[in-house]
Formats: sequence, C-alpha cells, structure tokens
Amino acid sequence: AQTVTQSQPEMSVQEAETVTLSCTYDTSESDYYLFWYKQPPSRQMILVIRQEAYKQQNATENRFSVNFQKAAKSFSLKISDSQLGDAAMYFCAYRLPSGNTPLVFGKGTRLSVIA
Amino acid sequence: GAGVSQSPSNKVTEKGKDVELRCDPISGHTALYWYRQSLGQGLEFLIYFQGNSAPDKSGLPSDRFSAERTGGSVSTLTIQRTQQEDSAVYLCASSLAGGTNYGYTFGSGTRLTVV
Repeated sequence: AQTVTQSQPEMSVQEAETVTLSCTYDTSESDYYLFWYKQPPSRQMILVIRQEAYKQQNATENRFSVNFQKAAKSFSLKISDSQLGDAAMYFCAYRLPSGNTPLVFGKGTRLSVIA
Repeated sequence: GAGVSQSPSNKVTEKGKDVELRCDPISGHTALYWYRQSLGQGLEFLIYFQGNSAPDKSGLPSDRFSAERTGGSVSTLTIQRTQQEDSAVYLCASSLAGGTNYGYTFGSGTRLTVV
C-alpha cells in the first residue's frame, strides 16, 4: 500500500523568509501524481501545487515550488517570501493515475508565520 | 454550485444516536469522495463514488458507516449508533471524472462531536 510521510508536525517561518516542508512517500509504481494541499482554519482544503511523476521538471506556482526527487521518493514544498496568509496546515498527497484510486494523504505540517 | 457544499457545518450528538452528513458536489463533477480527519491526523479515505459505478467502500471503518449518492449528485454519509471515537471533521470532495491530475475540490467539512 502507498504511504505518505510528513516528518515535521510543526514548522515556523519569519515573514518574507523561505521555508521548506518535507514529504516522502512509498510506492512501487512508476507513474503517479503528487499534490500539496493547504488547509486554513476554515477547514477547506486548497490545492497548492501538483506534480506528475513522469515529468522531471519541478512544478512551480508563483511563490510555491517543489523539489521532486523521484529516486529518493521525496516531494518537498518550498514557500518563498512567506506571508501571514500562508499560515495553515499543509498536506502532501499521492495518487495513481487510474481514476479509481483515492488520494492518500500524509498527517500534515502546521506552518506558523511570524510577523 | 460554485463549490462543494457540506451541511451541517457542526454537529453535536449523543453517543448511540444516528447522524446524517450531507455533501452537495460541484455540478458536473462525476466523482465524489468522503474523508475523515481526526484531531492531529491526516485525511483518512472513507468512500468514493464515480458516476454510476459501484462505490469503493474500502475505507469505511465499520458497518455503522454507510453512504449513498442519489442521482449522481448529492451524497449522504450516515453513521449509526455513534461512538466517541467517531468525533472528527468529515470532508467531502468532488472532481471531474476520476480526478487523475485535476485534483479534488473540497468542501469545508462537518465537525462531528459525539458526547
């Protein structure tokens, strides 16, 4: 079974600084998708960024970028120029390309942003 | 609708009572998922509906849990004879087709408290 591990229960960052959230996963598959979701206090999960495993280029969305290391099964999220609104729970997730498999989530990292 | 709508937002129930949680997905989204988020935990997959196919119930923790989706749209998650360990946030998500690389759109969840 696929598993997703986030080893940092809590992280903090100064406003305007850069922070990296770690995620590792376990799979025997070669093709899959990886996601980072943000969950603010409103509870609604918001998709931050996604990566297709067959693409070597790291995905980037404005201040958010990933470091995807397929051989190491690592998928870290880098947040640049951190803002107060970035404070939230961040979840790493994995799924197979097949349409019949659900997302598998890690336990999350709580990010605090210090003004 | 514009987003995934869940009701009620919060529910307090007595141990042993039955509860129904409702999810109204985005119009046109054929896939619908239920997840449970317990305190300090990641999202635990419960059940998945895709179009008219038989649902994937592999994540339901016990036979006290059931879900249905009427007319390929609204879904209801029912928990019978609630226990204190059922206290959690129940999140619903929907997606186009099987969600593959689209990711999911989540609702804001129902916080269930069993007293």
